[in-house]
Amino acid sequence: EAGVAQSPRYKIIEKRQSVAFWCNPISGHATLYWYQQILGQGPKLLIQFQNNGVVDDSQLPKDRFSAERLKGVDSTLKIQPAKLEDSAVYLCASSSYRGLAYEQYFGPGTRLTVT
Amino acid sequence: SQQGEEDPQALSIQEGENATMNCSYKTSINNLQWYRQNSGRGLVHLILIRSNEREKHSGRLRVTLDTSKKSSSLLITASRAADTASYFCATDTGRRALTFGSGTRLQVQP
Repeated sequence: EAGVAQSPRYKIIEKRQSVAFWCNPISGHATLYWYQQILGQGPKLLIQFQNNGVVDDSQLPKDRFSAERLKGVDSTLKIQPAKLEDSAVYLCASSSYRGLAYEQYFGPGTRLTVT
Repeated sequence: SQQGEEDPQALSIQEGENATMNCSYKTSINNLQWYRQNSGRGLVHLILIRSNEREKHSGRLRVTLDTSKKSSSLLITASRAADTASYFCATDTGRRALTFGSGTRLQVQP
């Protein structure tokens, strides 16, 4: 089966500019996640969708970050305006709940550099 | 905040040796998972161990879980250069989103 697709793979912008990332999860996966991974750290959850709805966005900086998942499939994550500390890899993942446990499938990520 | 913390932060071994990584966490979990991340790539799921399991094997991987100590270990036997990567533990506390540790960077010298 096709994996999680993300684009672009790399993006360089200046601070205060805006940027958008796109994710296409594995077909049939109801749950979609966006993570932020700063260099040398583990991924940190930004937002979790279950179909169209938001399950958890408690760690999303809502003054500058927004995300949507139209029709319960593709998702976009936007940053406006960007700050230097937003430089990171943005990972999208999807999962299909299996019984009492699940595993997540990750895309290759988008490496964002804010100058 | 980070739920899991891996130890050591970095590990360098020779090909053929075993590599052991440890993970400690803070709250009760439903399961604990280990992921691998090659440089510049996304994470790949390796193995999942449920809270009622103590040990699990998958190929050259062996995972143990001690819920009383809130710790887990990942053992990679007979390491290969291709095992060079960062390894993360991730805990599922029932909120259905995983919380990742800071990772162990493993370097396997050929």
